[in-house]
Amino acid sequence: EDQVTQSPEALRLQEGESSSLNCSYTVSGLRGLFWYRQDPGKGPEFLFTLYSAGEEKEKERLKATLTKKESFLHITAPKPEDSATYLCAAPGAGSYQLTFGKGTKLSVIP
Amino acid sequence: DAGITQSPRYKITETGRQVTLMCHQTWSHSYMFWYRQDLGHGLRLIYYSAAADITDKGEVPDGYVVSRSKTENFPLTLESATRSQTSVYFCASKPGGPISGNTIYFGEGSWLTVV
Repeated sequence: EDQVTQSPEALRLQEGESSSLNCSYTVSGLRGLFWYRQDPGKGPEFLFTLYSAGEEKEKERLKATLTKKESFLHITAPKPEDSATYLCAAPGAGSYQLTFGKGTKLSVIP
Repeated sequence: DAGITQSPRYKITETGRQVTLMCHQTWSHSYMFWYRQDLGHGLRLIYYSAAADITDKGEVPDGYVVSRSKTENFPLTLESATRSQTSVYFCASKPGGPISGNTIYFGEGSWLTVV
């Protein structure tokens, strides 16, 4: 069964304190690893897609990386506005939809 | 403004009542999805549709009915609401073809409480 597991469930950082979120997956024949950001009371917002081991993508203070078994979302010098739940996902059965992890809730304290 | 619109955004209903959540997208995307999001479970797929008049079950379809007579609309009906269906429901869409090379875009969500 395809699975996507995220850790930690929650993370509190001081403003400027860099860290990483983890997403491990057991999906045969990975066809993309997706990262989303979700603010309270909102729908998930697309951030990145990674397709092959070694690939990296960046957006402002966020950098996503991919290995054969996991992906990391690195947050460099975070600001309070980076506080959100970060979701990762991989294509599910049939390759036409996504299976999501349970998310990491990030809180950045001023 | 283009995008996905869900209605109602908030709904309280009683056990046993029928409830329909509406979803409308303006991108002409082929695929549309309904997910529910619950604490401890994350986002789980209820139903999806590849095109008008084509629908298929996801991970948690029991108690739900969908239809898609027009490409832009994908309503989700709870035929007889139960308390376990209290959740946040997200409609989503993507262009045609496999997920690789595309992405799924989400609406703002519909908060449903069944009392």
